[in-house]
Amino acid sequence: DAMVIQNPRYQVTQFGKPVTLSCSQTLNHNVMYWYQQKSSQAPKLLFHYYDKDFNNEADTPDNFQSRRPNTSFCFLDIRSPGLGDAAMYLCATSRTGGTYNEQFFGPGTRLTVL
Amino acid sequence: AQSVTQLDSQVPVFEEAPVELRCNYSSSVSVYLFWYVQYPNQGLQLLLKYLSGSTLVKGINGFEAEFNKSQTSFHLRKPSVHISDTAEYFCAVSDPNTGGFKTIFGAGTRLFVKA
Repeated sequence: DAMVIQNPRYQVTQFGKPVTLSCSQTLNHNVMYWYQQKSSQAPKLLFHYYDKDFNNEADTPDNFQSRRPNTSFCFLDIRSPGLGDAAMYLCATSRTGGTYNEQFFGPGTRLTVL
Repeated sequence: AQSVTQLDSQVPVFEEAPVELRCNYSSSVSVYLFWYVQYPNQGLQLLLKYLSGSTLVKGINGFEAEFNKSQTSFHLRKPSVHISDTAEYFCAVSDPNTGGFKTIFGAGTRLFVKA
């Protein structure tokens, strides 16, 4: 089945230690998104890639970076995680930015910062 | 800026009872509206969407929603819930004039179905 895969499902890191979260997709979608979802809150868009074009949300901290080496993979890098970065990180894809944007979500990676 | 308000943070209901999860949005322009469901430790799954046309939208798992432009609402309903419907439900809005990249989510409503 075509899907969005996130690895690992659970990630523990130490305060200030860089961490990378991975997302891959078999849907061949050209748009990929990263969301941060804190406990009992709505998902918050961090950034998205439209093909190779990177689009950062204005309020996304500089501590968060992303890479998309090819259509299938996208990475979220947190350069110096703080306690406030503990959250579920959701990757999503869509076929095109277009006017209609149905997003397909991965299962998420839950990040714990010690 | 667009915003989405889900009026209830938690909704407890007995199995086989009807349920309505309320959602209001603020926008002066045409929007696309969505309901997503999130089961524990999983990603979001699209339940249904409103793009245009009929204001009554039917989705998966027996859910439906009605778009009311005058009241800027998009409430989700199910006539008879099951234990397996226990989950978090998110209402979301997207502005078709912004390229469709940005989806604004509400804070979520936790539906708890009791036996």
